Amino acid sequence: AQKVTQAQTEISVVEKEDVTLDCVYETRDTTYYLFWYKQPPSGELVFLIRRNSFDEQNEISGRYSWNFQKSTSSFNFTITASQVVDSAVYFCALSEAVWGGSEKLVFGKGTKLTVNP
Amino acid sequence: NAGVTQTPKFRVLKTGQSMTLLCAQDMNHEYMYWYRQDPGMGLRLIHYSVGEGTTAKGEVPDGYNVSRLKKQNFLLGLESAAPSQTSVYFCASSYARTGPTSPEQYFGPGTRLTVT
Repeated sequence: AQKVTQAQTEISVVEKEDVTLDCVYETRDTTYYLFWYKQPPSGELVFLIRRNSFDEQNEISGRYSWNFQKSTSSFNFTITASQVVDSAVYFCALSEAVWGGSEKLVFGKGTKLTVNP
Repeated sequence: NAGVTQTPKFRVLKTGQSMTLLCAQDMNHEYMYWYRQDPGMGLRLIHYSVGEGTTAKGEVPDGYNVSRLKKQNFLLGLESAAPSQTSVYFCASSYARTGPTSPEQYFGPGTRLTVT
């Protein structure tokens, strides 16, 4: 069975600090996708990034970067120079392709990030 | 373009009552999903649909039913609510996969349901 583990339940940092959110996954599939979603205090989940299993290049988008390593089954998320607006719950998710081609997402339990001014 | 909308935003039910949560999307997405979010549990899939008239069970389907009579709507029903169904319910939708890329899901704002 597929599984996503986010071992950090809560993280608290001071503004401008760098912070890394860990995500470890388990799957028997050779082809899979990994996602990060952000859930701000308003509650709605927002898509941040998708990475497929055959592309291990790291990705950078502004202050956000993602490190995908198949050897350790990890897909970690780093925020550089954190800001108060980064405060949210962040979810890592794994895509499991099933009947009919739908994309079932298996979510981790989330990491609550608090950035203090 | 409203995206994914959910009705109602809040609801309090008594044990044994029934209700229907409505999800609507205006992005012409093929796939739709219902999740529940509980503290410390992440999001868990209840039911999903890959097209009009089709539904399937997810990880935690017991106590819920769904219907997808129109492509843009996905209804989640609770026939006899129980306190264990107190949760925040999220609807999501996505395009069908047409190539190698797994499509991202777009989420609604959530419905907070309390069963007393």
